[in-house]
Amino acid sequence: NAGVTQTPKFRVLKTGQSMTLLCAQDMNHEYMYWYRQDPGMGLRLIHYSVGEGTTAKGEVPDGYNVSRLKKQNFLLGLESAAPSQTSVYFCASSARDYNEQFFGPGTRLTVL
Amino acid sequence: QKEVEQDPGPLSVPEGAIVSLNCTYSNSAFQYFMWYRQYSRKGPELLMYTYSSGNKEDGRFTAQVDKSSKYISLFIRDSQPSDSATYLCARYILTGGGNKLTFGTGTQLKVEL
Repeated sequence: NAGVTQTPKFRVLKTGQSMTLLCAQDMNHEYMYWYRQDPGMGLRLIHYSVGEGTTAKGEVPDGYNVSRLKKQNFLLGLESAAPSQTSVYFCASSARDYNEQFFGPGTRLTVL
Repeated sequence: QKEVEQDPGPLSVPEGAIVSLNCTYSNSAFQYFMWYRQYSRKGPELLMYTYSSGNKEDGRFTAQVDKSSKYISLFIRDSQPSDSATYLCARYILTGGGNKLTFGTGTQLKVEL
């Protein structure tokens, strides 16, 4: 039982490049989330999903897109990376929206 | 004003000390509070949660909510080096406009031998 896993763990991009971050959970959770964590800013919600095939915007959605084609996977895409997107990205999942959120180990992204 | 505010620290204490970690929050609504612990280069993990008022104890950890002063606290008794981590407070609000979970910026704690 791996919980929440994230791929890749580290990535360096040049401005304008695109990439996709993959999150997978094996707990059969309905809800999944993408956060970014920056010094002095705390965890901020980018996008979330309340079930397979659904997505919704969080606090800081601009510059990101997401998809949830399968219940266990939640993808975060950056179409044209910018230095402001340098951050640590965390995926999380929960059984319900008010339940405990289980976090993945994070992806450290640097955009040059 | 941020919805949840937390002193970033770092806070350094000797092993065995009692640690007090605090957050303040704005607004009052039907809500509950959580404390997450985050070790360096790891994802946060839920430590405790508590509803709008009162105390909750779990082993060496006690979470306290003071509604009158809009203050939430986490106390750690007999602190250990393994408690060295960043502690995030979080508030979950149930509203008609949509439920919302807001995190504080975290307080970095170091427990020294």
